[in-house]
Amino acid sequence: NAGVTQTPKFQVLKTGQSMTLQCAQDMNHNSMYWYRQDPGMGLRLIYYSASEGTTDKGEVPNGYNVSRLNKREFSLRLESAAPSQTSVYFCASSQDSTYQPQHFGDGTRLSIL
Amino acid sequence: RKEVEQDPGPFNVPEGATVAFNCTYSNSASQSFFWYRQDCRKEPKLLMSVYSSGNEDGRFTAQLNRASQYISLLIRDSKLSDSATYLCVVNSGMDSSYKLIFGSGTRLLVRP
Repeated sequence: NAGVTQTPKFQVLKTGQSMTLQCAQDMNHNSMYWYRQDPGMGLRLIYYSASEGTTDKGEVPNGYNVSRLNKREFSLRLESAAPSQTSVYFCASSQDSTYQPQHFGDGTRLSIL
Repeated sequence: RKEVEQDPGPFNVPEGATVAFNCTYSNSASQSFFWYRQDCRKEPKLLMSVYSSGNEDGRFTAQLNRASQYISLLIRDSKLSDSATYLCVVNSGMDSSYKLIFGSGTRLLVRP
């Protein structure tokens, strides 16, 4: 059971380049999320998708866009990467109940030079 | 004030010790509470959900105090493998129940 799969695992970009982080889950979950984690700041929500066909901004959405391609896949796009976006990015998924926890992928380490 | 606050630690304890972590949250409308564990350079993993009546899973006991808005995690008989960062997690409230707020974590070091 793969759970939540993220690609790539590592990426180095130059300022101004664009890229898309991919995320797929095989748990038939309705809700999916993108977080970034920076030292000393904990996980911060970038965007989330409560169900297929919907997306909403989280705490730190500026500089990012998302696409909920289908129930399984939720991608995060950086249109013009900036050094401030250097971080570890985690994708997560959950059932659509208030009481259900989120399950995480193993992260993408992104460096912007 | 942060929505979820934790003592960053580190807590440095010998094997076999009992250690407790506390966490406070600011939104009285929060409905769901969890403890996650995160190893260095790894993803957060669910340790346990926290229920109003308190719950136990082996050496781990979680408790919730809604009146005081705090959550605790007790680890008994600490193992070397318990060394990790423990994240307190709370859902953000009635109007956005899917959104979880993560504390910055409490680091635990268990020494031989």
